[in-house]
Amino acid sequence: DGGITQSPKYLFRKEGQNVTLSCEQNLNHDAMYWYRQDPGQGLRLIYYSQIVNDFQKGDIAEGYSVSREKKESFPLTVTSAQKNPTAFYLCASSIGLAGYNEQFFGPGTRLTVL
Amino acid sequence: AQKVTQAQTEISVVEKEDVTLDCVYETRDTTYYLFWYKQPPSGELVFLIRRNSFDEQNEISGRYSWNFQKSTSSFNFTITASQVVDSAVYFCALSAYSGGGADGLTFGKGTHLIIQP
Repeated sequence: DGGITQSPKYLFRKEGQNVTLSCEQNLNHDAMYWYRQDPGQGLRLIYYSQIVNDFQKGDIAEGYSVSREKKESFPLTVTSAQKNPTAFYLCASSIGLAGYNEQFFGPGTRLTVL
Repeated sequence: AQKVTQAQTEISVVEKEDVTLDCVYETRDTTYYLFWYKQPPSGELVFLIRRNSFDEQNEISGRYSWNFQKSTSSFNFTITASQVVDSAVYFCALSAYSGGGADGLTFGKGTHLIIQP
């Protein structure tokens, strides 16, 4: 079945540690995205990528980094510079970057900083 | 800058009632796209509908219907004869392709819909 997988589902991190969230898609989509969701809030865009080896900052990129070495993979690293990393992180993909393409979402990773 | 406002934080109705979720948007772009997504308790967002700025026809899909009015910058979502399975958080979102590359979706804060049996 085609879709987006994110792992792990739950992640706990100590303050000062970097942590990497995995996102894989087998939909053959060119564009991929990372969003952050806080309780009672909408989703906010962290980073997006249109093509391999290219990515752009979204609205809240500070304290995060990404890579796009393969079309199907778009991992997100939450660095120690992120002041408040506890949140629900959602990865998405779409056929292309154009605004009319609907985005397909993964099941999410819930990150908790201890 | 783009903005999406969902003024209803939470709505609770009894099963079989009709319910409308409001969405108001702001954008300077003349070409834009509006979306509704459903987020059940599992967390994964499910795409429901897309509408472009040039198509103001209302749409009906089973118990779901959408009313797009550019004059009031609104894209409201109605569920007819609600069911318990409709309980979820619903997000309205906006995407404007400005020629230099899209920058993802701008989401509203969501409306938590509770359908009581």
